[in-house]
Amino acid sequence: GENVEQHPSTLSVQEGDSAVIKCTYSDSASNYFPWYKQELGKRPQLIIDIRSNVGEKKDQRIAVTLNKTAKHFSLHITETQPEDSAVYFCAASITRTALIFGKGTTLSVSS
Amino acid sequence: NAGVTQTPKFQVLKTGQSMTLQCAQDMNHNSMYWYRQDPGMGLRLIYYSASEGTTDKGEVPNGYNVSRLNKREFSLRLESAAPSQTSVYFCASSTLRGGDTEAFFGQGTRLTVV
Repeated sequence: GENVEQHPSTLSVQEGDSAVIKCTYSDSASNYFPWYKQELGKRPQLIIDIRSNVGEKKDQRIAVTLNKTAKHFSLHITETQPEDSAVYFCAASITRTALIFGKGTTLSVSS
Repeated sequence: NAGVTQTPKFQVLKTGQSMTLQCAQDMNHNSMYWYRQDPGMGLRLIYYSASEGTTDKGEVPNGYNVSRLNKREFSLRLESAAPSQTSVYFCASSTLRGGDTEAFFGQGTRLTVV
């Protein structure tokens, strides 16, 4: 089955800096790659996603890139703010099957 | 629009006791899932149901059973709880949106087995 590796497990940045989180997946048939943000004590919520026929997608300060050949994808957050502090999860799935998640990255943004 | 609703929010069980975690969604989604979240382990898939009437094992199904009661409801049962099942459990549902499977999560159930 699919296996998703996520790095780093923790990331500390200064406010205004950029943050990058990287994930690799094992199943070349995976075609959907979402990123979820989970604030302390809350449920995970989708922040951005990308499909396998797209190389990059941006939404304001957040961007995701996908390299199908290397089977890895990354989340980029620019101009980080304290409210970006949370746990971020990457995931992968084949259409109509369940999402398999990475182990998460705890992002801390200090002001 | 409530989205995905889980009950209960908190539960303490003694080893060997049984219980059922309930989940219901009102978004007319076909697919539903149960995940458990443990520190440093991320979200691990227990069972999922791609459509009403079907269920499949995920990454960590041992010790659990599920029932897709109808399109709205997907329950998770622990027949004989063990301390290793202490965790936060999340139910989720998803829709196909242009071929994607965006998942919406419930608020979670914090289960402690003593």
